Amino acid sequence: GAVVSQHPSWVICKSGTSVKIECRSLDFQATTMFWYRQFPKQSLMLMATSNEGSKATYEQGVEKDKFLINHASLTLSTLTVTSAHPEDSSFYICSAPEVAGRSDTQYFGPGTRLTVL
Amino acid sequence: DAKTTQPTSMDCAEGRAANLPCNHSTISGNEYVYWYRQIHSQGPQYIIHGLKNNETNEMASLIITEDRKSSTLILPHATLRDTAVYYCIALAVYDKVIFGPGTSLSVIP
Repeated sequence: GAVVSQHPSWVICKSGTSVKIECRSLDFQATTMFWYRQFPKQSLMLMATSNEGSKATYEQGVEKDKFLINHASLTLSTLTVTSAHPEDSSFYICSAPEVAGRSDTQYFGPGTRLTVL
Repeated sequence: DAKTTQPTSMDCAEGRAANLPCNHSTISGNEYVYWYRQIHSQGPQYIIHGLKNNETNEMASLIITEDRKSSTLILPHATLRDTAVYYCIALAVYDKVIFGPGTSLSVIP
């Protein structure tokens, strides 16, 4: 099946720095990708929809200036956590739809664990 | 999206069938029932989905009641690698995947 990769798989950074997380669809194109985050012992929370060639759509309560999303090509979306703080420490997961134009069946990446000291 | 209700946790003996229930009494006519699972510290994995007929694939079977108000995911021969959180989600094909708390399944040796 199709594969979605994320890089890095884990990252530790100091408070106040910015961290970029990449999400790639390896053998298919994705005009849309989705970003989730997950705190320990909680479910995944949808953060935003990444749209190739246009602005991302953020879910209610998610700060767009804090979490910058760029979808520069049909196989790559990036999430940048700007001025990270300890409360941003979380598991960040991206996904891409199996069928272009739909969003029901998704391939998920393996996740990126961010720890902010 | 229609709300779904699942038990918080379940245990299953290794080698036995795991039957995971889900209630979705307010499901709309254009909404399918989807199941995903998340093994600890990994990204979620799509398992199966259905509209009103029972479905089977290499991973699992999905049994949907005739009134579509509930469904059961069946893992026919559970292994330790099936220990995960299982999410039942009701959504239409153009809806975003929104996860609830799911059912934490523990397969016991």
